[in-house]
Amino acid sequence: DSGVTQTPKHLITATGQRVTLRCSPRSGDLSVYWYQQSLDQGLQFLIQYYNGEERAKGNILERFSAQQFPDLHSELNLSSLELGDSALYFCASSVGFEGGAGVGEQYFGPGTRLTVT
Amino acid sequence: GENVEQHPSTLSVQEGDSAVIKCTYSDSASNYFPWYKQELGKRPQLIIDIRSNVGEKKDQRIAVTLNKTAKHFSLHITETQPEDSAVYFCAASEAGGSYIPTFGRGTSLIVHP
Repeated sequence: DSGVTQTPKHLITATGQRVTLRCSPRSGDLSVYWYQQSLDQGLQFLIQYYNGEERAKGNILERFSAQQFPDLHSELNLSSLELGDSALYFCASSVGFEGGAGVGEQYFGPGTRLTVT
Repeated sequence: GENVEQHPSTLSVQEGDSAVIKCTYSDSASNYFPWYKQELGKRPQLIIDIRSNVGEKKDQRIAVTLNKTAKHFSLHITETQPEDSAVYFCAASEAGGSYIPTFGRGTSLIVHP
C-alpha cells in the first residue's frame, strides 16, 4: 500500500458526460500528479499540483481540469467524455520540494478505471 | 522535450536467470531516473531510482546503472523469480521542483518457473 488513495475504483459512463476522480496523497506529501494510462499511449503525464497551486501541465486536454484543495486532496474533472478517454487514471504524490527526503520519488494510487460507452 | 526509448518491449527468461532492460534519453538536463514495476491491473510501484551524481545503485537483486555521457541507463535483475513477472517502466526527469517524468513504453518481463 503506497498510502495514496483514489476513488472510485471503476467508473462506467456514457459519451458526453462529466466525471470527477478523487485522490488523497500520502501524509506529508505536498505534490500531486495525474496520469492517464492507455494501451496505445502508455503512461502520460497530465498535470501537477503543489500545495494547492498548479505547477506543471502535460498533455492534458482542454476538456479536462484539476484542482488541489487546502487539505491537499485533488480532483480531476473530465467533461464531454469521448470513447477515447477510456483509460486508467492514476494519481501519484511526492514530497514535492527540493531538499525534502526522497525528492522526486512518486508513489502511485491504485487508479480509477474509466470506461466510456 | 524529453524522449525516452526502452528496450526490449518483451523479455522472457527462465527462473534464476538475469534480466536486463535498457533505456536511452535525449535531454541532457535530466538527472533523476526512476524505475517502476507494474503488475497486471495494479499501480506502478517505484522499485529503484538513480540520480545523476552516481553511476550505479544496488538493492538486493536489483541494480541500476547510469551512463550520463551516453545518455543511457539500465535495470539489472539477478536470480529472477516468477514474482518478478510484470511490466517495468523506466523514466527520466529533471530536478528543480517538478520532477515530471517522461516514461518509456515499458518492458513486459516474463519469468518461467
